[in-house]
Amino acid sequence: KNQVEQSPQSLIILEGKNCTLQCNYTVSPFSNLRWYKQDTGRGPVSLTIMTFSENTKSNGRYTATLDADTKQSSLHITASQLSDSASYICVVRGTGGYNKLIFGAGTRLAVHP
Amino acid sequence: ETGVTQSPTHLIKTRGQQVTLRCSSQSGHNTVSWYQQALGQGPQFIFQYYREEENGRGNFPPRFSGLQFPNYSSELNVNALELDDSALYLCASSLDPGEDEQYFGPGTRLTVT
Repeated sequence: KNQVEQSPQSLIILEGKNCTLQCNYTVSPFSNLRWYKQDTGRGPVSLTIMTFSENTKSNGRYTATLDADTKQSSLHITASQLSDSASYICVVRGTGGYNKLIFGAGTRLAVHP
Repeated sequence: ETGVTQSPTHLIKTRGQQVTLRCSSQSGHNTVSWYQQALGQGPQFIFQYYREEENGRGNFPPRFSGLQFPNYSSELNVNALELDDSALYLCASSLDPGEDEQYFGPGTRLTVT
């Protein structure tokens, strides 16, 4: 069964600190992997997208890595800010049509002053 | 912001009632997907509409139905509401069904009592 599992479920860090969120997937065959940021009560917004051949992708203070062999991805946030408080969702796309997007349950990050 | 709008923002309904949620897609996008996101979970795919036709459906019962209009805006209808239907309903638009990039609206928070 195609699955996407994220850890930790929730995380609290102090402003200015770094953190790393994990995503493990079993989706096969694999097309790409996205990380989304979802503020409370809002729709998800794409942060990064990586295909099979990409190992790392950065977007400002966000850096995503992908190991397609072990089917693992991580999202590293550097020098966290209060505005980083949100849920971070890993989404894996298999090959094929409309319903091949598999969403993880997300990691809820709280950045405290 | 993505340019995808949804209405209403919040809604409270009673079990057994019917509800209609609305979504206006981003300009130039002809594909709309609907998702249900329960509290603390990732979005679950309901169905997708492409050029006014249903283009795929997730594991949701027939009491979840939809429409897409010539201007590509869309409606999600839910009949015979159940308590478990309480969730954030997200719509996402894309250029076409094969396009990876989806732009999410802010969602409609439905509470069924």
